[in-house]
Amino acid sequence: DTGVSQDPRHKITKRGQNVTFRCDPISEHNRLYWYRQTLGQGPEFLTYFQNEAQLEKSRLLSDRFSAERPKGSFSTLEIQRTEQGDSAMYLCASSPQGVRTEAFFGQGTRLTVV
Amino acid sequence: SQQGEEDPQALSIQEGENATMNCSYKTSINNLQWYRQNSGRGLVHLILIRSNEREKHSGRLRVTLDTSKKSSSLLITASRAADTASYFCATTGGAGNMLTFGGGTRLMVKP
Repeated sequence: DTGVSQDPRHKITKRGQNVTFRCDPISEHNRLYWYRQTLGQGPEFLTYFQNEAQLEKSRLLSDRFSAERPKGSFSTLEIQRTEQGDSAMYLCASSPQGVRTEAFFGQGTRLTVV
Repeated sequence: SQQGEEDPQALSIQEGENATMNCSYKTSINNLQWYRQNSGRGLVHLILIRSNEREKHSGRLRVTLDTSKKSSSLLITASRAADTASYFCATTGGAGNMLTFGGGTRLMVKP
């Protein structure tokens, strides 16, 4: 499968715990994005990498959130000290370079904080 | 924050009918894209229309773009029950080409 893959698909965690999600983009795509989607809403941008460089972060990305893409391939998104408000679908997308290119999304990681 | 509004928020039609969804946005764009999302799943790209294009077709999909009104529409012709999903428009802007989504239209096609 050459699509974007995310792991895990579902995560239930207790409030205050740390969680980490992984995204494997399409191999030739140098751009990688993280989005968050709450129930009934459209996805909201969190952060963006070009190769290994994190070039932009949304105000939604509080200091409890950190994202990495160490070798310009897969990426991880970590949430520390989770709160119930962090419950959402976390979506990863990748795209090739260029302004007229579509983004390809993974299936998402559904996080539930109890 | 969401780029704009999608209209209607929910739409229920019979199989075989056409479905039209509208999207408005606020800022200048590089392009506008439409995505489909089945419940609890990721987004699937449907069609991309560039800022200098006015209309685009792909199979049963027809997208229009009016940059003077900052609006777009998605028409699904001869709908099928399998078209039941949420549909989102998204604009791209800036050097990183990040997507800014609307709130989506939840389409139900009854068999």
